[in-house]
Amino acid sequence: DAGVIQSPRHEVTEMGQEVTLRCKPISGHNSLFWYRQTMMRGLELLIYFNNNVPIDDSGMPEDRFSAKMPNASFSTLKIQPSEPRDSAVYFCASSLQANYGYTFGSGTRLTVV
Amino acid sequence: QKEVEQNSGPLSVPEGAIASLNCTYSDRVSQSFFWYRQYSGKSPELIMSIYSNGDKEDGRFTAQLNKASQYVSLLIRDSQPSDSATYLCAVRLTGGGNKLTFGTGTQLKVEL
Repeated sequence: DAGVIQSPRHEVTEMGQEVTLRCKPISGHNSLFWYRQTMMRGLELLIYFNNNVPIDDSGMPEDRFSAKMPNASFSTLKIQPSEPRDSAVYFCASSLQANYGYTFGSGTRLTVV
Repeated sequence: QKEVEQNSGPLSVPEGAIASLNCTYSDRVSQSFFWYRQYSGKSPELIMSIYSNGDKEDGRFTAQLNKASQYVSLLIRDSQPSDSATYLCAVRLTGGGNKLTFGTGTQLKVEL
């Protein structure tokens, strides 16, 4: 099993540009989570999906952020337009069942200049 | 009060000692608790889960849960320099569905 796969590993972009982060969960896992990690705020849940359906997006900062999961093996998190305060490490995670812990991907380090 | 609280540390222990990491949570009826280890620049890695009151042991790690007092702890016996990392407590809070709420983590330093 290749684990949770995220791309890109690093992204540097200019303010105002669109950024798309990608995630492939572990095959068979039915829940997918997007988290953001900063020194100041720690790990914050942005949104999660069960069986490809968005369940809780209360952590999405504002309308500039959107997430999709078109099928069980792929999800995207998009930021448009990006701002310097969006600079953080974005993690995708997946889990098999509600009572299990997550497996995290390697993360995408986003820098907006 | 934060939903999941941890002392940020750093907690320094000598090699071979027992490291004790603590976490408190606000939701009295939470049922699922997890400890993750995160090395600098890496992603969190699940090391322990616990669901019932008492102790759960896995190698050098012991998770302890006390639901009445709303705390969960992680003991690391025979601490090694390779245990130096940030340890994150995560709780599946009631009404939160399948999501985990994380504490901000405790940095552990194991010194030679």
